[in-house]
Amino acid sequence: NAGVTQTPKFQVLKTGQSMTLQCAQDMNHEYMSWYRQDPGMGLRLIHYSVGAGITDQGEVPNGYNVSRSTTEDFPLRLLSAAPSQTSVYFCASNGRGGGTEAFFGQGTRLTVV
Amino acid sequence: GENVEQHPSTLSVQEGDSAVIKCTYSDSASNYFPWYKQELGKGPQLIIDIRSNVGEKKDQRIAVTLNKTAKHFSLHITETQPEDSAVYFCAASNGFQKLVFGTGTRLLVSP
Repeated sequence: NAGVTQTPKFQVLKTGQSMTLQCAQDMNHEYMSWYRQDPGMGLRLIHYSVGAGITDQGEVPNGYNVSRSTTEDFPLRLLSAAPSQTSVYFCASNGRGGGTEAFFGQGTRLTVV
Repeated sequence: GENVEQHPSTLSVQEGDSAVIKCTYSDSASNYFPWYKQELGKGPQLIIDIRSNVGEKKDQRIAVTLNKTAKHFSLHITETQPEDSAVYFCAASNGFQKLVFGTGTRLLVSP
């Protein structure tokens, strides 16, 4: 079991560029989420999904899109990157397979210049 | 929506001492309160959690207490060790998915 795998680990973007942060889990979890972590602010929920084909907004969704076509994958898209999106992004999954515990990936450190 | 406050932001203790981190929450509907440990360069990892129908839970050197009336919960680490040094986050949610996190406590355990 790899758990939750995020790619890439590091990325530098120019303002206005687009990219997709990948997240995959092999635990057959129903629920998947994206958080961003900024200094002094903890982790904030961006988007989440309760199952394939179902997504919803979290606390800070603006500037981000998600889709959930399979149980395993939950990519996060930045359509037009802005310096304010410089952050560390974490994907998490939980569900029946893991009970209540949310398992986090190792994170993607994104810098927008 | 839910708001979680966490104190202190930094905590320095000597090895063998106890450490206490406190959190308050605002939404009385919250019923799940996990604590996460984050080591440098890694994702958060669950260390203990508690549900609203329980007042206290222990796991070896770690314990969590919950006071629903006052809307606060605390993490207690006894006999601290240098490997306990990390950033600790509390969180609250109504259900298990939409976690609202505190701002974190950096714990430093000195030998």
